[in-house]
Amino acid sequence: QLHLQESGPGLVKPSETLSLTCSVSGASIGDTDFYWGWIRQPPGKGLEWIGNIRKTGSTFYHSSLKSRVTMSIDTSKNQFSLNLTSVTVADTAIYFCARRDEILTDFFPYNWFDPWGQGTLVTVSS
Amino acid sequence: DIQMTQSPSSLSASVGDTVTITCRASQTISNYLNWYQQIPGKAPKVLIYAASSLQSGVPSRFSGRGSGTDFTLTISSLQPEDFATYYCQHSYSTPLTFGGGTKVEIK
Repeated sequence: QLHLQESGPGLVKPSETLSLTCSVSGASIGDTDFYWGWIRQPPGKGLEWIGNIRKTGSTFYHSSLKSRVTMSIDTSKNQFSLNLTSVTVADTAIYFCARRDEILTDFFPYNWFDPWGQGTLVTVSS
Repeated sequence: DIQMTQSPSSLSASVGDTVTITCRASQTISNYLNWYQQIPGKAPKVLIYAASSLQSGVPSRFSGRGSGTDFTLTISSLQPEDFATYYCQHSYSTPLTFGGGTKVEIK
């Protein structure tokens, strides 16, 4: 059974870089062609997609975060990571990692996030 | 960016009721629409993908309909474990965006 687990500092100072890692167990990232994603949720608010990455290193980022986001993937460790630079209090959120599952079609794959990690709260504060 | 608008933002219902949640996209997304359930303190869980396909293991009382810009999630015979927040999400293009959520509360 596929399991994802986020890890990283729970407190980051304003203007610094938020770094999180998602560890995958139950399957090998390098043996699949899935995209892997990051989604965040400010406390008490809705969900915001941050971006996706594939084992080839191919990425898609949210346009509003593109200048500050970098994702990477390490198939040898079965992990993928998120770096978000120049953080502000607005970046305080629960950060989730997830697999982008999909069904191929003639046009564009239907895709959805499943499963998700449990999430990790990152607070931006001095 | 495609905006996803859910209504209502919250509703109260009783066990056994049938509830319907609506999601509207700001432009056509064909049937590239997913529904998630989030229980407080937990990660979201996919219920429906491609607008109407039930994810494996999800009870059949959950159903989705729609295409283009207008979509619905219906929960028939509401159960105690269904009281949660529900989100729609399009997968038509990037950026992927979610609706604002609908909180289903116990009456």
